[in-house]
Amino acid sequence: SQQGEEDPQALSIQEGENATMNCSYKTSINNLQWYRQNSGRGLVHLILIRSNEREKHSGRLRVTLDTSKKSSSLLITASRAADTASYFCATDAFGQAGTALIFGKGTTLSVSS
Amino acid sequence: DAGVTQSPTHLIKTRGQQVTLRCSPKSGHDTVSWYQQALGQGPQFIFQYYEEEERQRGNFPDRFSGHQFPNYSSELNVNALLLGDSALYLCASSLSWGLDYGYTFGSGTRLTVV
Repeated sequence: SQQGEEDPQALSIQEGENATMNCSYKTSINNLQWYRQNSGRGLVHLILIRSNEREKHSGRLRVTLDTSKKSSSLLITASRAADTASYFCATDAFGQAGTALIFGKGTTLSVSS
Repeated sequence: DAGVTQSPTHLIKTRGQQVTLRCSPKSGHDTVSWYQQALGQGPQFIFQYYEEEERQRGNFPDRFSGHQFPNYSSELNVNALLLGDSALYLCASSLSWGLDYGYTFGSGTRLTVV
């Protein structure tokens, strides 16, 4: 079953614009992670935010976490064509760090030049 | 430092056959997880291996089985293949004690059942 649900399912923007995608989950978590997948290839880990953190930055990425609302958002600033990919949030399956990850269905981001 | 290596990259099998997929984890990682990703969907957790034991299992039938070897590499076996087993199979490795680290994924094996 899916733990996280990303929103929107698809997003199209122009280069230089910001892209925001959201993730909601159902049960308590230890941490939440975001991954990128290019065209059916393997997933690449982008960022991990712990349940006791509210915001985290990594380069052009900003992730927020609201455990009271069981939601997270991923912001990509100054998007580039190379950011075109599917983005997934993932949470630990049983609220235990290091255990299996449960993924959402993903947001497909298209960045046009 | 090699990442996660999966083989083969592509595979075509006939319904009813059996298949074995292989995974070598990232150097230093001791935990291997397998995922099935259907087209347009997110990865679905199959099972996770640690210390050569299946530690956790997702909602997959017994036709799906696995193994982890002493060098931490792993195999995924699927028996009695169904058309619905066609998917991208992803292997991910991680550290059992690395609570703040993400998973490292391989590029996957694309399985087509005809």
